[in-house]
Amino acid sequence: GQNIDQPTEMTATEGAIVQINCTYQTSGFNGLFWYQQHAGEAPTFLSYNVLDGLEEKGRFSSFLSRSKGYSYLLLKELQMKDSASYLCAVRPNSGYALNFGKGTSLLVTP
Amino acid sequence: DAGVTQSPTHLIKTRGQHVTLRCSPISGHKSVSWYQQVLGQGPQFIFQYYEKEERGRGNFPDRFSARQFPNYSSELNVNALLLGDSALYLCASSSEAGDNTGELFFGEGSRLTVL
Repeated sequence: GQNIDQPTEMTATEGAIVQINCTYQTSGFNGLFWYQQHAGEAPTFLSYNVLDGLEEKGRFSSFLSRSKGYSYLLLKELQMKDSASYLCAVRPNSGYALNFGKGTSLLVTP
Repeated sequence: DAGVTQSPTHLIKTRGQHVTLRCSPISGHKSVSWYQQVLGQGPQFIFQYYEKEERGRGNFPDRFSARQFPNYSSELNVNALLLGDSALYLCASSSEAGDNTGELFFGEGSRLTVL
């Protein structure tokens, strides 16, 4: 089975740093993805981790620990436009589909 | 270059009706996946097609079917619509079947309301 957990909502202040956690229990593992989805829009790809460690891409970084079934997305220097839903997704070994969590709705306040 | 395009963007149907949703992938992409996103939830995998063959199917009833055409565009069909089928239907394309990073490029979706 697949179980992907992430917080439902988070609030942070403009200019601050926020960490969005994701834990997963899946029957297989072939990569973890983070997507950003603004209200009423399509999800857009942020990051991909398949090996343990930190992947940095500008203001966004993503970390993976396969032994702990744990990932986080780190957003630095928050901007108002970062207010969105952040989706954690796992690709199991046995297929090509992505299994998404329910998403974390991030609100950035002035 | 055009991104993933879906049609229609919005539609309203009544219970028991049938619906066909269409998707054109990014030029050069051979894989198309369909996801259902209910309000407040993450996308749920329905189908993946690669080179016109079904490569994966999610936990959806047989009322849901899909196909991919020689030009790699795709259709999702849902028969005997239920109220619970109301959702945003997302199409995603990728260049490969899933053996690499598997980055998916999503379309804006087709929002289906079943009354």
